[in-house]
Amino acid sequence: TQLLEQSPQFLSIQEGENLTVYCNSSSVFSSLQWYRQEPGEGPVLLVTVVTGGEVKKLKRLTFQFGDARKDSSLHITAAQPGDTGLYLCAGLFGNEKLTFGTGTRLTIIP
Amino acid sequence: EAGVAQSPRYKIIEKRQSVAFWCNPISGHATLYWYQQILGQGPKLLIQFQNNGVVDDSQLPKDRFSAERLKGVDSTLKIQPAKLEDSAVYLCASSWRQGGSPLHFGNGTRLTVT
Repeated sequence: TQLLEQSPQFLSIQEGENLTVYCNSSSVFSSLQWYRQEPGEGPVLLVTVVTGGEVKKLKRLTFQFGDARKDSSLHITAAQPGDTGLYLCAGLFGNEKLTFGTGTRLTIIP
Repeated sequence: EAGVAQSPRYKIIEKRQSVAFWCNPISGHATLYWYQQILGQGPKLLIQFQNNGVVDDSQLPKDRFSAERLKGVDSTLKIQPAKLEDSAVYLCASSWRQGGSPLHFGNGTRLTVT
């Protein structure tokens, strides 16, 4: 079973600060997805990255896929209270099984 | 398009009782997933269907959990008998196909076993 470790597990920062969340595995991903989950709801897809070294931007969110396709990061610029939630990475491995990471719970303090 | 529908939203049962969850995926989505999510953790796949066939149930505790997807559309997940450690949110998701297709999740059923 492939494991995806996310760090940090918890993060609480002030509004306006920047932050980075990491997703790491010992195995190579075919592709990787990032989801955000708010309380009482299911996860919602933010982005999919496929190519090693790929960078995608979604407004204040920047997603990067590692060159070796074993890791990914999510950077948020000027965090806002609406960014609060559980951030999940999900990696697709060669066997076409999607595995979710351990999650990062982000709290933005107004 | 209508999203993934799940019911009930909440369920409280005593240990050793049975419970069933229902999921209606997005129309046309061939792949359906049931996940178990312990509070604050990432979802763990219990079972994956492709149409009405099981693709992966390697992490499904088959002595107490069962799932079916009749006619390749709706699905039910059953627990019998429930244990305290089954307390979790049960999420249903669907996707257009297997592999890298994005998953669309329902809002889940929060199960509390007392």
